[in-house]
Amino acid sequence: AQKITQTQPGMFVQEKEAVTLDCTYDTSDPSYGLFWYKQPSSGEMIFLIYQGSYDQQNATEGRYSLNFQKARKSANLVISASQLGDSAMYFCAMREGPGGYQKVTFGTGTKLQVIP
Amino acid sequence: DTGVSQNPRHKITKRGQNVTFRCDPISEHNRLYWYRQTLGQGPEFLTYFQNEAQLEKSRLLSDRFSAERPKGSFSTLEIQRTEQGDSAMYLCASSLSKGKGATEAFFGQGTRLTVV
Repeated sequence: AQKITQTQPGMFVQEKEAVTLDCTYDTSDPSYGLFWYKQPSSGEMIFLIYQGSYDQQNATEGRYSLNFQKARKSANLVISASQLGDSAMYFCAMREGPGGYQKVTFGTGTKLQVIP
Repeated sequence: DTGVSQNPRHKITKRGQNVTFRCDPISEHNRLYWYRQTLGQGPEFLTYFQNEAQLEKSRLLSDRFSAERPKGSFSTLEIQRTEQGDSAMYLCASSLSKGKGATEAFFGQGTRLTVV
């Protein structure tokens, strides 16, 4: 079974609008962490946001927020007020077990295109 | 620039040749990771080091692959007798282990390998 599932291969959003990128995960470990990364065409993976399984509040970082629904095992990324520079691949990823970053499993990504 | 640095950025090699990539992590980071990313996929974990110790290796890392981090600083990834299936982006990342609780990893821009 896939540990991280991103069902949207591609998404379009109008500039200044909000967009939600879906991510579901599968783990039996009670301690885990969820990450979102952005990968522009240059290739570098840019860390956006992190949510720990025991965190009570949904994570937010500027225009990024993570809609964490533990019972549904979903960790959707919400980007508010989209900008042209947000056009990129977005990857959801998961660390299983406690104790730092260690190895992380990535989803297949969603390509976001922001339309002027 | 104090980010993760990878060299070379691009490498084209003939099938059967050996190649070596280098990664310089963020200086105070004690963990270093190698990932491989093929077209249309998310990064796949290959191996990681804590200081100079290689703590985990993926089954993806065949006998033709070897990684080292001799002084706990930079790392090299060598692929011997390259095959066309080795063509991919090789990403390096580093993080600072703080024990309980994850920290994000910072990625380099990758080395794109093409085997012809």
